Amino acid sequence: GESVGLHLPTLSVQEGDNSIINCAYSNSASDYFIWYKQESGKGPQFIIDIRSNMDKRQGQRVTVLLNKTVKHLSLQIAATQPGDSAVYFCAEIPRGGADGLTFGKGTHLIIQP
Amino acid sequence: GAVVSQHPSRVICKSGTSVKIECRSLDFQATTMFWYRQFPKKSLMLMATSNEGSKATYEQGVEKDKFLINHASLTLSTLTVTSAHPEDSSFYICSAREGGPYSNQPQHFGDGTRLSIL
Repeated sequence: GESVGLHLPTLSVQEGDNSIINCAYSNSASDYFIWYKQESGKGPQFIIDIRSNMDKRQGQRVTVLLNKTVKHLSLQIAATQPGDSAVYFCAEIPRGGADGLTFGKGTHLIIQP
Repeated sequence: GAVVSQHPSRVICKSGTSVKIECRSLDFQATTMFWYRQFPKKSLMLMATSNEGSKATYEQGVEKDKFLINHASLTLSTLTVTSAHPEDSSFYICSAREGGPYSNQPQHFGDGTRLSIL
């Protein structure tokens, strides 16, 4: 079936560096994408979202890029901090917005001191 | 911001026990809430969509008689794991979305319930 997946399970970056987390999706009908951050033992925390009529959206220290041609989504985190260590999931809503989210596998971001 | 509260955060019980988990939207009304299940080091998998005032919609492979969902008000949905067995042990997470079924708002998640069946 169609699914959202991530390229890398673990990403290790130095504190202060920028990090890029990637996500590939396969459902071309999806029109809403969200990045979530999940810390150990907690629920996912909303980071940023983007709709299919956009290709870039910026938040505080985070940028999401959407490439619909190759069905690719990325999350850029600028000047990473120790508190950024977590698992990051991309998620999509595949059918018009009324449904629950389809999550990708997740990337564990590790910030090295 | 929107806050979703989930209770309890952790449950340990014997096999055969039924366990109820509550999900509340604290500062907004949610016509629709969602229940997810997460195994260790895995992603979240949608179990069911909880609709206020109507029956829940279950994903394929999820037993509706095993996982009973009630959404009696615009701020509360409950998931009851009936006659739980060790294979039901998991991290259960709920989410809620502001607005109606087709709202453009993101889902906000509770902090999950770790269920351990002995």
